[in-house]
Amino acid sequence: EAGVVQSPRYKIIEKKQPVAFWCNPISGHNTLYWYRQNLGQGPELLIRYENEEAVDDSQLPKDRFSAERLKGVDSTLKIQPAELGDSAVYLCASSLDQWFDAGLAGGIYNEQFFGPGTRLTVL
Amino acid sequence: AQSVTQLDSQVPVFEEAPVELRCNYSSSVSVYLFWYVQYPNQGLQLLLKYLSGSTLVKGINGFEAEFNKSQTSFHLRKPSVHISDTAEYFCAVSIGGATNKLIFGTGTLLAVQP
Repeated sequence: EAGVVQSPRYKIIEKKQPVAFWCNPISGHNTLYWYRQNLGQGPELLIRYENEEAVDDSQLPKDRFSAERLKGVDSTLKIQPAELGDSAVYLCASSLDQWFDAGLAGGIYNEQFFGPGTRLTVL
Repeated sequence: AQSVTQLDSQVPVFEEAPVELRCNYSSSVSVYLFWYVQYPNQGLQLLLKYLSGSTLVKGINGFEAEFNKSQTSFHLRKPSVHISDTAEYFCAVSIGGATNKLIFGTGTLLAVQP
């Protein structure tokens, strides 16, 4: 089974330029996540999709960041214009479905599978 | 709000020695706990998780972790490490429910030396 695919793996741009990252989740996974991982830090959630709908974008800087997930499969994350502080690794993850409380009878945990990430350097 | 603390940014250890990577969490509600591993230039991979039941959880690659509610800890252990275990390890928490939001710690680099 193919994992989460991301491209490009590396991107170097100058500040104020636009940039876009692409993610192809595992086939059949309805939930897709974009994380940002700053150097020396853990990943932080930017946005979560349930099929085509962005259900949690509270951490997405909407003045310069945008995302879309057309047809509920592939997703694109865009930054325009990029700033020096945007240098980071952008991770995409997917899971089969949303999680249900493990304490409930028949509760299911849907593991998040991560892609290799896109390392962005803004000069 | 939930938070995760990994006090050790780097843990050097010799091959075949035991290791413990520390993780403490803060939450006003019950949480679920996870350890992920990140090899260089790769994405995160789930090592193990605590959802309920036995507080000693066994994962892949010989790792295990113990959930201690009174000490709000979830330390990761391995009795004998290999060079191939060199990687970044992240502890994470989730409150579960209808979302699958993970809150990650800052990570611990396990550096295994020959």
